[in-house]
Amino acid sequence: NAGVTQTPKFRVLKTGQSMTLLCAQDMNHEYMYWYRQDPGMGLRLIHYSVGEGTTAKGEVPDGYNVSRLKKQNFLLGLESAAPSQTSVYFCASSYDRTANYGYTFGSGTRLTVV
Amino acid sequence: QQQVKQSPQSLIVQKGGIPIINCAYENTAFDYFPWYQQFPGKGPALLIAIRPDVSEKKEGRFTISFNKSAKQFSLHIMDSQPGDSATYFCAAGSNYGGSQGNLIFGKGTKLSVKP
Repeated sequence: NAGVTQTPKFRVLKTGQSMTLLCAQDMNHEYMYWYRQDPGMGLRLIHYSVGEGTTAKGEVPDGYNVSRLKKQNFLLGLESAAPSQTSVYFCASSYDRTANYGYTFGSGTRLTVV
Repeated sequence: QQQVKQSPQSLIVQKGGIPIINCAYENTAFDYFPWYQQFPGKGPALLIAIRPDVSEKKEGRFTISFNKSAKQFSLHIMDSQPGDSATYFCAAGSNYGGSQGNLIFGKGTKLSVKP
């Protein structure tokens, strides 16, 4: 099993450009999450989904949009990238919401906005 | 009330030492406390977790100690090895749903174990 796969692994954007980060999981998990990781800030939740067709805002949702059209995929979009969005982005999935069975994380996407 | 405060931010120990990482929380609705380990260039991975009905849990060289009355929990790594060098995150979650249903992560501790 691949677990959680994130694409791309690296990306450099110019300010104002748009892009979509793709997360795919093959564990039939209901719950999926997007986090950003910045030095000294830990993991901050951007958006999450409790099932196909649902999305909800996390701690730092501004400047991002998400979609969960299929259960196995969770897309994170940046409509107009800003340098403040330079970060490492992690997708995670879990069997249940409180992660009784643990969150499974992808290997991350390193995004630089210049 | 949703915060999980983790300390120290970084930690350096010699091989064989016992690094201790501490976390504190405020929300008494939290009932699940996992620790995640992250190696450079990788995503975090679940290391060990505890529920508040026990005061200690061991898995190999990793031990979680939990103090419900103080709302604190800690990770101890016995006989630490250079391969344990990583960033460790504590987290807390709740079965009560709503915004509490998601895990809340501490800011992380970067551990370096010197040979």
